[in-house]
Amino acid sequence: NAGVTQTPKFQVLKTGQSMTLQCAQDMNHNSMYWYRQDPGMGLRLIYYSASEGTTDKGEVPNGYNVSRLNKREFSLRLESAAPSQTSVYFCASKNTTGRKLFFGSGTQLSVL
Amino acid sequence: AQTVTQSQPEMSVQEAETVTLSCTYDTSESDYYLFWYKQPPSRQMILVIRQEAYKQQNATENRFSVNFQKAAKSFSLKISDSQLGDAAMYFCAYRPARKLVFGQGTRLTINP
Repeated sequence: NAGVTQTPKFQVLKTGQSMTLQCAQDMNHNSMYWYRQDPGMGLRLIYYSASEGTTDKGEVPNGYNVSRLNKREFSLRLESAAPSQTSVYFCASKNTTGRKLFFGSGTQLSVL
Repeated sequence: AQTVTQSQPEMSVQEAETVTLSCTYDTSESDYYLFWYKQPPSRQMILVIRQEAYKQQNATENRFSVNFQKAAKSFSLKISDSQLGDAAMYFCAYRPARKLVFGQGTRLTINP
């Protein structure tokens, strides 16, 4: 069982560069999430998608865009990376009636 | 705003002893879920235990149990018979509807 798969696992960007973090789940879940984890800050919600075709802002959406490409995939895009976006990014998914959130293994992003 | 506070950035315990991690949350909701997640150095987020707010009985999972005080908005995690493999970051999380809100985390060290 693959669960939630994130790519890449590590990435280094220069300030101003753009990139897309990919996330895919094979559990037929309706809801998908993007979190960032900074030291001492816990995990903070960036964006989420309650179902295919819908997206909503979370706690820290500025500087990011998302696309729910289909039920399986939910991508996070940084249009112009900034050092403040250096973080570990987690994708997660959940079924609509489910209680448990399934997490990917994270992407370590450094912006220089 | 819904917030989750973990007031202990770091805790340590002797192997085989018992340790309690604290968590408080702020909400105006009456129906919600509470979770404790464990994050070892591998970065994987592992669900330890969950509690439904409508249940008065405290949840228990083997050596892990919670003390849920709804009126006080408190949700502490007790780890009994601590093992070296319990060393990790522990995150308390609160879910009222679609979103999961995390606390800042507590780093637990197990002393042999």
